[in-house]
Amino acid sequence: GQNIDQPTEMTATEGAIVQINCTYQTSGFNGLFWYQQHAGEAPTFLSYNVLDGLEEKGRFSSFLSRSKGYSYLLLKELQMKDSASYLCAVSNFNKFYFGSGTKLNVKP
Amino acid sequence: EAGVVQSPRYKIIEKKQPVAFWCNPISGHNTLYWYRQNLGQGPELLIRYENEEAVDDSQLPKDRFSAERLKGVDSTLKIQPAELGDSAVYLCASSLATGAISYNEQFFGPGTRLTVL
Repeated sequence: GQNIDQPTEMTATEGAIVQINCTYQTSGFNGLFWYQQHAGEAPTFLSYNVLDGLEEKGRFSSFLSRSKGYSYLLLKELQMKDSASYLCAVSNFNKFYFGSGTKLNVKP
Repeated sequence: EAGVVQSPRYKIIEKKQPVAFWCNPISGHNTLYWYRQNLGQGPELLIRYENEEAVDDSQLPKDRFSAERLKGVDSTLKIQPAELGDSAVYLCASSLATGAISYNEQFFGPGTRLTVL
């Protein structure tokens, strides 16, 4: 089976840095995606990792360790608009397996 | 460029009634996905099409759910009859699959929020 684990909820302060972890056990692996989903809206793409290491994209970075089945999303200089759910998804060719998402609350 | 289009955005029906959702993917995207997302959960795949062929429908409850993508473009997902537990957001997504698939970002539509009373 497929198993993707993320913390259910996190709280952080505006301007701070937060790290959202994701661990996975899947039968196949092509890459790992992070999506942001605001309440009542569709998921939107944030980042993609296929090789081990860190991918940086502005205030967002994502890290992957395939041997450990582990990824994290790092958000820097948090803004109030970053309050959303963050979904970790593993792709196996054209199949995507999503975690339950981590709800991030950014407080002033 | 237009994104993934879904309609309706909201639907409220009574249990045992039928309901249908429509999705128009991004132009040129050959892979189309239907997901169901329950509150506080991640999307769960119901069915995946590559062109007009349903290549993965293992999670589709076939006793009441059906889907079609007749010309390999837009798609319809139907539930008949609906049950209380079907209340969820139904998301459509599309991607452009290539021969050497290593990066196949999905683009999601806004979803249809279904409430079954």
